[in-house]
Formats: sequence, C-alpha cells, structure tokens
Amino acid sequence: EAQVTQNPRYLITVTGKKLTVTCSQNMNHEYMSWYRQDPGLGLRQIYYSMNVEVTDKGDVPEGYKVSRKEKRNFPLILESPSPNQTSLYFCASREGGTQYFGPGTRLTVL
Amino acid sequence: GDSVTQMEGPVTLSEEAFLTINCTYTATGYPSLFWYVQYPGEGLQLLLKATKADDKGSNKGFEATYRKETTSFHLEKGSVQVSDSAVYFCALSDPSVGGTSYGKLTFGQGTILTVHP
Repeated sequence: EAQVTQNPRYLITVTGKKLTVTCSQNMNHEYMSWYRQDPGLGLRQIYYSMNVEVTDKGDVPEGYKVSRKEKRNFPLILESPSPNQTSLYFCASREGGTQYFGPGTRLTVL
Repeated sequence: GDSVTQMEGPVTLSEEAFLTINCTYTATGYPSLFWYVQYPGEGLQLLLKATKADDKGSNKGFEATYRKETTSFHLEKGSVQVSDSAVYFCALSDPSVGGTSYGKLTFGQGTILTVHP
C-alpha cells in the first residue's frame, strides 16, 4: 500500500531534550516536506527536500533540522525543543501537484 | 506573497443540507488549486483539485470551480452526510514560488465542518 508513515504518533517531552520524528514513504517520490499545524493557522511548511541531499527552509524553519540521506526517509530533528514547538506535525511526499500526508505526530513540549 | 483565505468556521449543518465553504486566494503566478480533507485523528487527504481557470474539480459529491476572475475556489456539496464531518483545507500550488515545477503548497487556515443527524 502506498503510504507515508511517521513515528512516533504521540510524544511528550521536556524542554531541551533532543528528539527526532521519523518519516518514510514507499512511493519513490523525490519531493518531501514537513509541516506543522496549529489552530487558526492552517499548515505551515517547516522544511522541504527536492531530492536526496537537497533540503531547504520553508516558512517556519527556526528550531528544526532535517536530513535526506535516502530518498524514502526524511527525519525531522528538534535539537533543543521548546514549548512553542508543541504542535501537530505532518510529513508529506509529493508526486506532481498532489501531496500525500502521513498520519501526524502530536508533540507536547513541557 | 501567496495566500489563501477560507471562511470562518466552525460550520454546523444538519444531514442533507447544502454545503458551501468559501475560499479565495492571491498568487503571483498561475496556481493550481486544491481542497484537502482531514478526518479526526488522520492526516490530510486530497479531496479534489483544479489546475487551470474554469476547471471544475469533483470527488465524493463535492465540487469546486476555479474562478480566476474572482480568485475563488469555493467548495460545495448538495447533501452532506454525518461522515463528511472533518476539517477542510483550501490550498494553492504556485509554480513561480518554491523552486519546483509545481511550487510550494500554501494552505488556508482550515474550516471545521460538523454534520448532525
């Protein structure tokens, strides 16, 4: 089944404790991206990657890192999480004009 | 820059009522337009899309027409069901922004729809 998977689905952590949210797609898509969803703000792009080893900032990249060592994986890294990064995070891959979203990761930073 | 504005929510309807969710946009190029739906606890799914002016996208009884003259892409359904309860996002993809042939997706803020039996 064609899909985008994310792990973990839920995470509660404390300020400053490094964490990684994994994302994997099995559709051989070149373009992948990360979004955060906050009430009243819709989805905002954090980072995107047009191919392996090619990443670039989206609209809200501060406090996040990404890497793209393989085509299928695009992890999101929070080196020192802060409470304002509490949010719902979505990974997506894209074919042409259509994006395919993962199920989301709900992150709470205390 | 590009932007998408959706009608304020939440929207509450009775089953079989007519649905309209308004969406207007601003873009520098010639965008493609999308409606995505997010069911409770799930990620976003593409509902329908239109890639040029006057195109009508349709799926699952929903439809939306790309109106360049009014920069709008309103979502409509003639008779909603309880199972349509979800959050609906209007979005645009502008090839002149984002460095790819399809551009970056820009989302509206989402509209919560609740349908009662």
